[in-house]
Amino acid sequence: EVQLLESGGGLVQPGGSLRLSCAASGFTFSTFAMSWVRQTPGEGLEWVSAVSSSGGNTYYADSVKGRFTISRDSSKSTLYLQMNSLRAEDTAVYYCAREEKVNGWTTRFDLWGQGTLVAVSS
Amino acid sequence: QSALTQPASVSGSLGQSITISCTIISSEIGNFNLVSWYQQHPTKAPKVVIYEGSKRPSGVSNRFSGSQSGDTASLTISGLQADDEADYHCCSFVRGWVFGGGTKLTVL
Repeated sequence: EVQLLESGGGLVQPGGSLRLSCAASGFTFSTFAMSWVRQTPGEGLEWVSAVSSSGGNTYYADSVKGRFTISRDSSKSTLYLQMNSLRAEDTAVYYCAREEKVNGWTTRFDLWGQGTLVAVSS
Repeated sequence: QSALTQPASVSGSLGQSITISCTIISSEIGNFNLVSWYQQHPTKAPKVVIYEGSKRPSGVSNRFSGSQSGDTASLTISGLQADDEADYHCCSFVRGWVFGGGTKLTVL
């Protein structure tokens, strides 16, 4: 079955760290760029970060730049998001999403995980 | 404030058609391309229903259609069904991937 499964969410204090994982199965993980997208409870979606299929290129939203690091391990078909210096406003459900590219451009996020909740609070 | 603006809510009766708009702020219009639309039921992950403005993924009902004109992209759902009740999010690349604030569709 083609799927993405996130893990690693939880409750963390402001200033703390957390690492999210996203295990991919049912497709050739190494051929797809991947992203993290988050959703504040009751609010809209916010793109957080992306990594190219090779892992050589990474991209971040301004809101997390310098605090979050995206990476991938193709031998384990797993995507990661290392989150440091966490703030209350980082509280959200974090989804990993597969990018479908056409001629080098991402045209859609065509596969999503079920999400993992990160709560930043003292 | 998102670069993409959607109405907070829309409603329609069973069998009717509705349209949800997604407008880009004027200063970013040059980047308004590759619009996609996502359906999200409560507590579920988003699911793409339209991409590249008007293309429909395999398995998505042909009741869903997309269009774009100038600074506004639109998602139209015809023949409303109860299961269409969900949140709908537009998305485009505007100096990074940006989502609209989402529109709650209520089917009466």
